[in-house]
Amino acid sequence: AVQMTQSPSSLSASVGDRVTITCRASQGIRDDLGWYQQKPGKAPKLLIYAATTLHSGVPSRFSGSGSGTDFTLTISSLQPEDFATYYCLQDYDFPRTFGQGTKVEVK
Amino acid sequence: EVQLVESGGTWVQPGGSLRLSCAASGFTFSTSMMNWFRQAPGKGLEWVSYVSSTGNTIYYADSVKGRFTISRDNAKNSLYLQMDSLKAEDTAVYFCAREAVEMATTSIVNFFDSWGQGTRVTVSS
Repeated sequence: AVQMTQSPSSLSASVGDRVTITCRASQGIRDDLGWYQQKPGKAPKLLIYAATTLHSGVPSRFSGSGSGTDFTLTISSLQPEDFATYYCLQDYDFPRTFGQGTKVEVK
Repeated sequence: EVQLVESGGTWVQPGGSLRLSCAASGFTFSTSMMNWFRQAPGKGLEWVSYVSSTGNTIYYADSVKGRFTISRDNAKNSLYLQMDSLKAEDTAVYFCAREAVEMATTSIVNFFDSWGQGTRVTVSS
């Protein structure tokens, strides 16, 4: 199975900060990676798919980069509604596997 | 509007069985790939199972293989997860999700664009 290593597991940031979260795959997965945001008690929401494509309706402050084994989610200017947990998910192969998650907290 | 509504979650004793349902609306269910995911209390997300649009192709996580069965009824726009031989570690919120497909320049891309609100399963004596 493809293992996804996500870092950091948590971070503290302020509104307006630039935030970067990374995921590393245990083998090459082309660009078959998505980023999801989850708030407590809610279902995950798709932000980015195919590593770099912004999902419809998602603010442009979110962006994704990478291919192969190394991927990054960037929030260019953190907004109050962005405090949440973020997960990467590879859809290159079965079993689908998530990163461990990154909790973005208020500094 | 795409809508997925899970039901069937409840408390069950270890070794017991449960059937989860996911009612779909607002899109063409019969041509959509579907998945189950879960999230144990305080833990991260875990993929559980996949079924193709026709039901002919199915995959499971190793943690549930041989105990869980995914199925679908396209005439009823419904997805199911039959859960047998339940263990305490199956305690989680279970989500169904649509797996969408898009034609990119040189390939097909997949993503999970619609999720239900989740249904809670508690396995405890």
